[in-house]
Amino acid sequence: GAVVSQHPSWVICKSGTSVKIECRSLDFQATTMFWYRQFPKQSLMLMATSNEGSKATYEQGVEKDKFLINHASLTLSTLTVTSAHPEDSSFYICSASWAAAAYEQYFGPGTRLTVT
Amino acid sequence: QKEVEQNSGPLSVPEGAIASLNCTYSDRVSQSFFWYRQYSGKSPELIMSIYSNGDKEDGRFTAQLNKASQYVSLLIRDSQPSDSATYLCAVNIEETSYDKVIFGPGTSLSVIP
Repeated sequence: GAVVSQHPSWVICKSGTSVKIECRSLDFQATTMFWYRQFPKQSLMLMATSNEGSKATYEQGVEKDKFLINHASLTLSTLTVTSAHPEDSSFYICSASWAAAAYEQYFGPGTRLTVT
Repeated sequence: QKEVEQNSGPLSVPEGAIASLNCTYSDRVSQSFFWYRQYSGKSPELIMSIYSNGDKEDGRFTAQLNKASQYVSLLIRDSQPSDSATYLCAVNIEETSYDKVIFGPGTSLSVIP
């Protein structure tokens, strides 16, 4: 149980274009989803927390207008990187939780974004 | 700023030995603690969660929590080469308007055959 999928697993895009990443909880209803970014040899950086039907809460320093998060249902959240630049190239990972009090998170396999 | 700290390693242990991974955290009110394993190029995988002081065992893994010392550890018995990975400690943090989990920088473990 507790399977989270992400699509695509990798994507290459040109500078200035937008990329959408989907995160789905396959066998549970995710009340909360999280989006992380991880650069090589570094730890996870929380970008934002989203609850179904609510606006995402962004971490300090994360641009809301650049990283658009939508959590339209209890099984789907999307992250759109708008006007991507090479410095946005990173490993983007989502996670989902169904027990907000317990904070156990189950991670998707990640999306490797390369902006050329 | 609330923090979670871990030794970055690398920690090297021979196959069959006990690997001991440590984590300290700064938020005294934290109540939930997690250990994740992350293989290179992959996303983290939840290994253990612990909420009460003391030990919690699951197979070859034992998590230990001491809230008074703000310390949580993970012991891996009979270490195998397949245990070679980065281990992330995660702790819940209560912010003013919402709660979240923050991750430590991770400890790289290498099990030598």
